Amino acid sequence: GNSVTQMEGPVTLSEEAFLTINCTYTATGYPSLFWYVQYPGEGLQLLLKATKADDKGSNKGFEATYRKETTSFHLEKGSVQVSDSAVYFCALIPVVGDYKLSFGAGTTVTVRA
Amino acid sequence: EAQVTQNPRYLITVTGKKLTVTCSQNMNHEYMSWYRQDPGLGLRQIYYSMNVEVTDKGDVPEGYKVSRKEKRNFPLILESPSPNQTSLYFCASSPGTYHGYTFGSGTRLTVV
Repeated sequence: GNSVTQMEGPVTLSEEAFLTINCTYTATGYPSLFWYVQYPGEGLQLLLKATKADDKGSNKGFEATYRKETTSFHLEKGSVQVSDSAVYFCALIPVVGDYKLSFGAGTTVTVRA
Repeated sequence: EAQVTQNPRYLITVTGKKLTVTCSQNMNHEYMSWYRQDPGLGLRQIYYSMNVEVTDKGDVPEGYKVSRKEKRNFPLILESPSPNQTSLYFCASSPGTYHGYTFGSGTRLTVV
């Protein structure tokens, strides 16, 4: 079946530190890959996406590259801020025409001033 | 503003009392879906819809019903709520698989 595995949290960082959240997936074919962010008390927001191998998604200083050879989509940010404290979800939609968004378990990130 | 609107945001109800959580999107999206989020279990899909009058079960459909009579609306119905349906619910919509889903702000339901 299709699944997403994320590194477990929680992750605690200091401001301006480098953030990496690992994400690997299992899917048939070539899934579309997404990172969502959930700030405290809010819904999920699409952070970035990539729809084919070697695509790089980027937004708000975050980046992730679709690596087909390692079936990975790791999220990175070079210098985090307190406002980046949130839960981050890796997700996939498996094939063209499919509609089911499958999520990883989520990684809680806390950034301290 | 393009958005998915859920109502209510918070709801406390008693076991067995039928309730409906409404969901509406103004983006003319084909796909709509309902998820529940529980600590330790993450986000799980309840039902989805690919278009008007086309719905199907997700991973955890038991105890829920949906309908899609209009493209913009996708209500979630709990005919006889039970305490194990206490959860945070999200409605989402999408124009297609390459775009991901836009989520509503969530409905926190407590069944006592």
